[in-house]
Amino acid sequence: EVQLVESGGGLVQPGGSLRLSCTASGFTFSNSWMTWVRQAPGKGLEWVANIRQDGGEIYYVDSVKGRFTISRDNAKNSLFLQMNSLRAGDTAVYYCASVNDYGRSEWFDPWGQGTLVTVSS
Amino acid sequence: AIQMTQSPSSLSASVGDRVTISCRASQDIRNDLSWYQQKPGKAPKILIYAASTLRSGVPSRFSGSGSGTDFTLTISSLQPEDFATYYCLQDYIYPFTFGPGTEVEIK
Repeated sequence: EVQLVESGGGLVQPGGSLRLSCTASGFTFSNSWMTWVRQAPGKGLEWVANIRQDGGEIYYVDSVKGRFTISRDNAKNSLFLQMNSLRAGDTAVYYCASVNDYGRSEWFDPWGQGTLVTVSS
Repeated sequence: AIQMTQSPSSLSASVGDRVTISCRASQDIRNDLSWYQQKPGKAPKILIYAASTLRSGVPSRFSGSGSGTDFTLTISSLQPEDFATYYCLQDYIYPFTFGPGTEVEIK
């Protein structure tokens, strides 16, 4: 079964740090671009970051540049999101997903169940 | 960044109804668009990619169309399990951007 499982969420104070993990199984993780998407409580989806199979190409949404770092360990089938200088506006459920592609088209499938990050004093 | 809009933001429909959701991009994105369904407390699920290609395993009552700036998700005959929020996503250029979502409610 293809599966992604996130972990590492929790309550953190403003200005603090947190590291999210996403463990993949059931597919060849090292062959896939990966992504992080977040969803603030009661709000819509926001794309956060993408990373290429070898980690050599990375993209971020502007609001997290310089604060968040996406990385991966293909030997451990794991994706990470290091989040520093956290703000209240970063409070959200964070999802990881595999990026599929066909030609130019890309889409996110499957998704993990999400992990909640709450930034509050 | 490319702005994505969706209309309507919410709609009420009955089982068996035909439902159409629109998604518009602020610039030409060719057909680099996917559609996702999300139910409360659950992760999103892919429905359609490349604007009109149905993901394997997704019921054929779902269809997508459009290219350039205007796209449509159609549910031909709404089923009870289709009540959810639907999002479009452009992958034409970074940063990828989602539409704000369309909530489909029971009438």
